[in-house]
Amino acid sequence: SQQGEEDPQALSIQEGENATMNCSYKTSINNLQWYRQNSGRGLVHLILIRSNEREKHSGRLRVTLDTSKKSSSLLITASRAADTASYFCATDAGNTGKLIFGQGTTLQVKP
Amino acid sequence: DGGITQSPKYLFRKEGQNVTLSCEQNLNHDAMYWYRQDPGQGLRLIYYSQIVNDFQKGDIAEGYSVSREKKESFPLTVTSAQKNPTAFYLCASSLTPLYGYTFGSGTRLTVV
Repeated sequence: SQQGEEDPQALSIQEGENATMNCSYKTSINNLQWYRQNSGRGLVHLILIRSNEREKHSGRLRVTLDTSKKSSSLLITASRAADTASYFCATDAGNTGKLIFGQGTTLQVKP
Repeated sequence: DGGITQSPKYLFRKEGQNVTLSCEQNLNHDAMYWYRQDPGQGLRLIYYSQIVNDFQKGDIAEGYSVSREKKESFPLTVTSAQKNPTAFYLCASSLTPLYGYTFGSGTRLTVV
C-alpha cells in the first residue's frame, strides 16, 4: 500500500534555481521523512518532521508539513548539479515502525 | 565506521533457485527492514523485524522468507515461489521508529 504520493514525478531545473517537491499522504502520521536516492544506490535520510511541527530547515533544505491537508513539501534552495537524484517522502504507519514510501520525484539539475 | 552492509551487490538467479541476500549492521539498531524497488518505482516493504527472533510480513511477503537470529543480521531469501524476483533490494535499519532509517547500498537481483 502506497501512502505517499509525490508531485511532480519529474523536475528539471537549472543550477542555482530552487526546486520544490510535494508529498501527499492519506492517514494520520507521527512523522514524515524525506530521503534522497542517487541512481543505483541506497537511500539517504535527509530530514524528519514530526506531526506537531510545521516547518524545519537543514542547510539548503526546507520542509513544511500541513497535517490538515495531509501534505508536505521539500524545498531545495540554490540547487547544484550534485542535487540530481530521486527524492522520496515516507510516512510512518501508526506505531508499527514501518515506513511507507511514495513513488518519488526525479530531480535533474542542469549545470 | 558504523553502517549497514548488503552483499552481494549483483546477484543472478536461475529459474527455480532460492537465493539469499545478506544484510549486516553494526549500528546497534533494533529494527531492520527489507524493501523491494522496481525501475522507476518507490519502495515496497517485504519484511521487517523490530527485535531479535521476531519479524512481520510487509506488503509483498509472498515468495520471500527472512530470519533474525542475531541483532546484527537480517538475511532475505528469495524463493522459487517468487515469480518475478528481478528487482533492486534494499535493507535498512533504525534505532526506533521515531528516527530515520539507515539504508544499505542495495543488491540488484536478476533472473537469468
